[in-house]
Amino acid sequence: AQKVTQAQTEISVVEKEDVTLDCVYETRDTTYYLFWYKQPPSGELVFLIRRNSFDEQNEISGRYSWNFQKSTSSFNFTITASQVVDSAVYFCALSEARGGGADGLTFGKGTHLIIQP
Amino acid sequence: GAGVSQTPSNKVTEKGKYVELRCDPISGHTALYWYRQSLGQGPEFLIYFQGTGAADDSGLPNDRFFAVRPEGSVSTLKIQRTERGDSAVYLCASSRDRYEETQYFGPGTRLLVL
Repeated sequence: AQKVTQAQTEISVVEKEDVTLDCVYETRDTTYYLFWYKQPPSGELVFLIRRNSFDEQNEISGRYSWNFQKSTSSFNFTITASQVVDSAVYFCALSEARGGGADGLTFGKGTHLIIQP
Repeated sequence: GAGVSQTPSNKVTEKGKYVELRCDPISGHTALYWYRQSLGQGPEFLIYFQGTGAADDSGLPNDRFFAVRPEGSVSTLKIQRTERGDSAVYLCASSRDRYEETQYFGPGTRLLVL
């Protein structure tokens, strides 16, 4: 069975600090997809990134970067020079591509990130 | 439409009543998903449609929950004999097709069962 663990329930930092959100996953499949979503106070889940299991290259998008390491089953998310607008709940999620198609996502419990001005 | 839409945004009902929640996916998206999010938790998968058929309903908690997508676009999640434990935010997501893994979410319907 698949599982996603986000051990950090809440993180609070001061604006402009860097912050890393941890995500550890479990799956028996060799082909799978990993995701990060942001859920601001408005409640709507916003897609941030998708990674497939064959692509271990790290990715950077502006102030955001992701570190995917299959050896430790981790897919960590770093925000550089954090801003107040980054305050939200962040979810890591996993999808096992059974039959080559997409499946329902398994989400972690989320990390509540608070950026203080 | 531009994104996934869900109606109503809020629904208050009494224990034992029947409710319907509607999801309108992104135009052209053939895959549609329902999730349930309880307070302080991550979304929990309920059911997945590819076209008109339910490809995976393994997440539905019991037979009080049912979902349809008769024309392969709009979907309705139906809950019979609601219980207080059904109170949650019900989220809908869509993706282009079963091979496009990115799911885009709607704003959700907040259901409160009194």
